[in-house]
Amino acid sequence: DGGITQSPKYLFRKEGQNVTLSCEQNLNHDAMYWYRQDPGQGLRLIYYSQIVNDFQKGDIAEGYSVSREKKESFPLTVTSAQKNPTAFYLCASATVTEAFFGQGTRLTVV
Amino acid sequence: GQNIDQPTEMTATEGAIVQINCTYQTSGFNGLFWYQQHAGEAPTFLSYNVLDGLEEKGRFSSFLSRSKGYSYLLLKELQMKDSASYLCAVRNTGFQKLVFGTGTRLLVSP
Repeated sequence: DGGITQSPKYLFRKEGQNVTLSCEQNLNHDAMYWYRQDPGQGLRLIYYSQIVNDFQKGDIAEGYSVSREKKESFPLTVTSAQKNPTAFYLCASATVTEAFFGQGTRLTVV
Repeated sequence: GQNIDQPTEMTATEGAIVQINCTYQTSGFNGLFWYQQHAGEAPTFLSYNVLDGLEEKGRFSSFLSRSKGYSYLLLKELQMKDSASYLCAVRNTGFQKLVFGTGTRLLVSP
């Protein structure tokens, strides 16, 4: 069963803690993306990667970090430097002609 | 950079046809994507255009004019379940950055 898996669906953390969101795909897609969505807003690009061991900053990369050690995996770390981390985080993977999203992770920082 | 504009909200009646527009400015165009997003859920891929013209998929069609930086999503025979946000995204060449517009919220009424 091919697809993109984000886990967990809901995540709660205390302020000041780093947290890592998982994104795994078995679609053999080269490109992977991380977005953030706030209530009633559009998707904003955090980081993206075209190949293993290489990634680019998106429009709102401050306070986030990523790695791309395997083609299938693109984890996102939300660091304590991110001022407003509470949001809906979406991971996508893409080929030339299509791009699919995982189910998303709702992160709440209290 | 990339700039993508969509109307914020639209309303339509069940059974009707609605056209959702998207205009964009980008350096190095490499494809335009349309998504549907129901409240609280991840976006679902609808269509991809890279050449000028109309792509049809059942009740949904998408049109692209690269020279005008313009696309539209056409929804026919509207159903209540089509009430959702519709997101336009543009990919550029090089590192394949994929950026989203703020989305159009469509409300279908009986």
